[in-house]
Amino acid sequence: SAVISQKPSRDICQRGTSLTIQCQVDSQVTMMFWYRQQPGQSLTLIATANQGSEATYESGFVIDKFPISRPNLTFSTLTVSNMSPEDSSIYLCSVDAPLDEGSTDTQYFGPGTRLTVL
Amino acid sequence: AQTVTQSQPEMSVQEAETVTLSCTYDTSESDYYLFWYKQPPSRQMILVIRQEAYKQQNATENRFSVNFQKAAKSFSLKISDSQLGDAAMYFCAYRSPHTGNQFYFGTGTSLTVIP
Repeated sequence: SAVISQKPSRDICQRGTSLTIQCQVDSQVTMMFWYRQQPGQSLTLIATANQGSEATYESGFVIDKFPISRPNLTFSTLTVSNMSPEDSSIYLCSVDAPLDEGSTDTQYFGPGTRLTVL
Repeated sequence: AQTVTQSQPEMSVQEAETVTLSCTYDTSESDYYLFWYKQPPSRQMILVIRQEAYKQQNATENRFSVNFQKAAKSFSLKISDSQLGDAAMYFCAYRSPHTGNQFYFGTGTSLTVIP
């Protein structure tokens, strides 16, 4: 399994500003993922971040709006740039890790960052 | 892309009773993984149970079990002896090893446990 922490847990931001969310994992992982969960809705994948390469963005998400860093195998950041009220959401970090020894990977999630944009 | 459907936006169950949450999915693949995740009000997504498509035996995890019907593309979650702590949003998810291991989530079922 994997234990994931995120900072900040919540924030209230002004329109036009940017916020960087940090994700820390307690073990080295190859793939890290960033999701958005809008109020009352399911999870939408924003991008996949592999260490040493550019993040891969899903349709509807672009690097200029959601730049991602992945400097090492235990850490990643997601920046929400030039925010608008429509960006108000929960942002979740997740990683692939084995469920148990010898098994294939399962996805584990951080506690999320609740962002409110005024 | 694969789609995951949870047709029950809300469910309720009496404490100590059993409840079944439904999930269907659409895929042309034969090799994949299915998951149920729980998201309580604290919003931490917690893995409840996992099923590999190649396994015929239904996965169980304590009070949680699944009814995996591969031909019908159905993957329901049964919660036995429901407890107040089971109250949460439950998400069904599909994962394909053929599309970059991407997860596809259903829209969720909100479970209320009545004391």
